[in-house]
Amino acid sequence: QKEVEQNSGPLSVPEGAIASLNCTYSDRGSQSFFWYRQYSGKSPELIMFIYSNGDKEDGRFTAQLNKASQYVSLLIRDSQPSDSATYLCAVIHFSGGYNKLIFGAGTRLAVHP
Amino acid sequence: DAGVIQSPRHEVTEMGQEVTLRCKPISGHDYLFWYRQTMMRGLELLIYFNNNVPIDDSGMPEDRFSAKMPNASFSTLKIQPSEPRDSAVYFCASTARRADTQYFGPGTRLTVL
Repeated sequence: QKEVEQNSGPLSVPEGAIASLNCTYSDRGSQSFFWYRQYSGKSPELIMFIYSNGDKEDGRFTAQLNKASQYVSLLIRDSQPSDSATYLCAVIHFSGGYNKLIFGAGTRLAVHP
Repeated sequence: DAGVIQSPRHEVTEMGQEVTLRCKPISGHDYLFWYRQTMMRGLELLIYFNNNVPIDDSGMPEDRFSAKMPNASFSTLKIQPSEPRDSAVYFCASTARRADTQYFGPGTRLTVL
């Protein structure tokens, strides 16, 4: 089992719709969770981080965390074509005596006009 | 703030040659990370430094890879000898705290022929 799992997509949504991106993780002790956005040919950039169970909202983005289910999601409201990118879920994972940021493979989102 | 700076942005070399990638972290950041990204394996952590000291190099694929951080503002990742399977985008990232937001550089796209 991979430490961080995401559906590779592509997830295709119409402009204005809600895009829902999901991520599961294996380390029950993980405490910190991040969503990065990566445009094609560019570097990852942080969109949201969440540490506590529940929802965290920032503009059109909402991160949701359920530690009991080991599940974290990202909702994008009023999706725009400019949101088309790969979204990487990342989790702080304790391994080999160290905390590491482990990335999922990413979900490709395509927002069509 | 100039952000994380990497050079070169693109590198094309022949198998067997030595390759050196360079990174300048954000000033004041104590942690520096080297990642490799490929389509097959996604974004993988190779090594990270804290206060110029290598902390975890378990992600370094083999002895052909080495990394140094001689001072707080400069790090290198060296591959010697390079092989075609090393072709990837190599990212450097830095953060002020280990479990905090990581800021990525623009990456170096390496092609080994």
